[in-house]
Amino acid sequence: GAVVSQHPSRVICKSGTSVKIECRSLDFQATTMFWYRQFPKQSLMLMATSNEGSKATYEQGVEKDKFLINHASLTLSTLTVTSAHPEDSSFYICSALLAGVYEQYFGPGTRLTVT
Amino acid sequence: GENVEQHPSTLSVQEGDSAVIKCTYSDSASNYFPWYKQELGKGPQLIIDIRSNVGEKKDQRIAVTLNKTAKHFSLHITETQPEDSAVYFCAASISGNQFYFGTGTSLTVIP
Repeated sequence: GAVVSQHPSRVICKSGTSVKIECRSLDFQATTMFWYRQFPKQSLMLMATSNEGSKATYEQGVEKDKFLINHASLTLSTLTVTSAHPEDSSFYICSALLAGVYEQYFGPGTRLTVT
Repeated sequence: GENVEQHPSTLSVQEGDSAVIKCTYSDSASNYFPWYKQELGKGPQLIIDIRSNVGEKKDQRIAVTLNKTAKHFSLHITETQPEDSAVYFCAASISGNQFYFGTGTSLTVIP
């Protein structure tokens, strides 16, 4: 149990375009989902906390107008990278929190390359 | 805020030997300590966790210990196998509200 999917797994886009990444909890409901960014050989950097039905809470230094997060249902959160630039190229990982037991389950990640 | 330190950053062991990874945390309010295994190009996978009301937990070849007084917790892998090779992250959390990660340990098990 506790499976989280993420789509797409890889995406290449041109500078200036927008990209949407979906994160789904497949077998449990998640009121809270997290979005992370990971640079090569580094730890996970929390970008924002997404709560179902409310606005996401962004970490300091993360532009909320550039990284749009929508948590429209208990099983789906989306991250849209708007007007992407090469410096946005990274590995983006979502996770879903299993309420009550604090367990966090991660998606497989999305490799974004902006050319 | 919480600060989690993790050591060592790299670890090589012979197959069959044990591996130990240690983490310290700063916020005494942290009450949940998970460990994640991340293989190259994949998302982290929860492998074991421990809560503040428990001192030790074991699941087959992996175990975690927690010393609340000293604010440190450790991951122990026994009888290591090549498939244990990965990056391991510790984390600390206050009731799942936010997770603070260590910097990771790259474990290599040499056949």
